[in-house]
Amino acid sequence: AQTVTQSQPEMSVQEAETVTLSCTYDTSESDYYLFWYKQPPSRQMILVIRQEAYKQQNATENRFSVNFQKAAKSFSLKISDSQLGDAAMYFCAYRSAMAAGNKLTFGGGTRVLVKP
Amino acid sequence: KAGVTQTPRYLIKTRGQQVTLSCSPISGHRSVSWYQQTPGQGLQFLFEYFSETQRNKGNFPGRFSGRQFSNSRSEMNVSTLELGDSALYLCASSLGGGQDTEAFFGQGTRLTVV
Repeated sequence: AQTVTQSQPEMSVQEAETVTLSCTYDTSESDYYLFWYKQPPSRQMILVIRQEAYKQQNATENRFSVNFQKAAKSFSLKISDSQLGDAAMYFCAYRSAMAAGNKLTFGGGTRVLVKP
Repeated sequence: KAGVTQTPRYLIKTRGQQVTLSCSPISGHRSVSWYQQTPGQGLQFLFEYFSETQRNKGNFPGRFSGRQFSNSRSEMNVSTLELGDSALYLCASSLGGGQDTEAFFGQGTRLTVV
């Protein structure tokens, strides 16, 4: 079974600065997808960024980028130029590309606080 | 287009009762997954339905069940409610095909068992 670990329960960042969230995962599979989801107080999970394991290039989406280290099974999220609206819970998630279905395995989450 | 709709948004039930939660996926999406979110256990996968068939199942007791209708709408049922079933229940929809990788979530149903 796959597991996802987020070691930072909470991170604080000054507005306009950069914060990096850590995520490690454990799997014996060679093909999979990794995601970062944002959950604001409204509770709705929003996809921030995704990475296909077979792609060596790190994914980027505007101010969000990842550092994907497949051998180390590490998948960190960098938020640049942090904005007040970035304050939320962030979840790292894993999905197998080898099994049928869309089951996501989530980490425990990291709360991001943005200070004005 | 309309997003994933979960009803009701809030629910209070008494221990021992049963409850049914509903999820309407995005139009054209055939896969619906359910997750339980609690402060202690985090986000846990309950089950996934695709074309009216359960395709994946998590490690929850048989009190938790679901179904999917021909229009892809899904319901989740919890029987004999326990205090520990208090949680936010999230539904996610996706196209469900082999190359599909993005799941879209609803705003959840907050269930409180008293």
